[in-house]
Order: sequence, then structure tokens, then C-alpha cells
Amino acid sequence: EVQLVESGGQLVQPGGSLRLSCAASGFTFSSYWMSWVRQAPGKGLEWVASIKQGTTEKYYVDSVKGRFIISRDNAKNSLYLEMNSLRAEDTAVYLCARPYTTTAEGSFDVWGQGTVVVVSS
Amino acid sequence: SYDLSQPPSVSVSPGQTASMTCSGDKLGDKYVCWYQQRPGQSPVLVIYQDSRRPSGIPDRFSGSNSGNTAILTIRGTQAMDEADYYCQTRDNSIHVLFGGGTKLTVL
Repeated sequence: EVQLVESGGQLVQPGGSLRLSCAASGFTFSSYWMSWVRQAPGKGLEWVASIKQGTTEKYYVDSVKGRFIISRDNAKNSLYLEMNSLRAEDTAVYLCARPYTTTAEGSFDVWGQGTVVVVSS
Repeated sequence: SYDLSQPPSVSVSPGQTASMTCSGDKLGDKYVCWYQQRPGQSPVLVIYQDSRRPSGIPDRFSGSNSGNTAILTIRGTQAMDEADYYCQTRDNSIHVLFGGGTKLTVL
């Protein structure tokens, strides 16, 4: 079964740091772009970051550039999001997502269940 | 910056056809996909590459994209189709971008 399972979300103070993980199974992880998408409470979907198969190409939404780092370990079938200098507006459910094909960056057909990050004092 | 605009809400009667739009500058030059998200659940891809349906998605769902507007159409709308729908596109500049979402109400 193709599956993505996120972990690492928790309550953190403004200015703090957090590392999210996404464990992939049931498909050849190293063959796909992978992304993080977030959804603030009551709001829409927002793409956060993407990483290409070989880990050298990484892209971010402007609001997290310089604060978040996306990475992957293809040997461990895992995707990560290191989040620094967290702000209240980073509060959201963070979802790991896989595209429907190995050549696409978007068009996600596999999603995790999400992990909740709350930034509050 | 590039934006995708979706109407906040659309209402439809059961059995009728629901159409939801997604607008962006020269959107027809890019591929668009659509997601359905029911409350408390992760999104589900219902259309990719403008008009293709993933396996398991009913043929009641269809999509088109031309000019500045992409459209998701649901024929014979059912109560189970009530959800939020998001369009999404990408290119080498914006990478991945979602529209703001449309809440479909079946009443």
C-alpha cells in the first residue's frame, strides 16, 4: 500500500524550531519529487516546499525562504522539513505529498494525514 | 506574483451540474489539476493535466482549461460531492500554486 506518514508536529514558541518527518512506503521514493503543503486552521491549501529526486533542487514559497529547509533521505524513504524562526502564521497542519508521476512536481495523488504545528506562547 | 482565483462558494441542487472556475493570467498555457477535500480529510486528486481523471474518480468529474480560466464540472452532483475544491498549477517560476478554494454546497 502506498503510504505517507508525517510526524513531529507539536506546540512551539514563536522563534522556536521544529523538524517534521514524513515516512514513505509502498513506492520507489527516490523516483519522485516530494513536497510539503500546509493548511492553516479554516484556510486553504498552501504549498510550502518541494525537493527533486536527487536532493539538489529545492524550492520554497516566499514566506518560508531562509527559515525552512526541505531535505530527503532516499535510503530511509524519508522526507523532512526543518522549520526555524517559527511565527504564529506558521500554525497549520503540514502534509507530505507525492505527485501522480515521477516527472511531475505538483498534481499530488498521494497525501499523508498531516501533522499539526502550533506556534504560540 | 501569480494568483489563482476561485469563487468562495458554489451551490447546486442534487442531480444537477456544478461548475467551479479557477482563473489566472494565461492559465490555459499551464496544466491545472483539481483536488476535493472533505472536512477533516486530506485532499484527493480528482483531475490532473486539465482534464484527466485518476483511476477511481467517477466520470461525473471533468475538467477543461483555456484562455485564463480552468473549469471543474461535476455532472449529476451527489450529496457526497459536497466538499472544498482546490485548483492547482505550476511552472518553473511559481513551482506549485493552489487557488483559494471553492466550497461546494449540495442543497
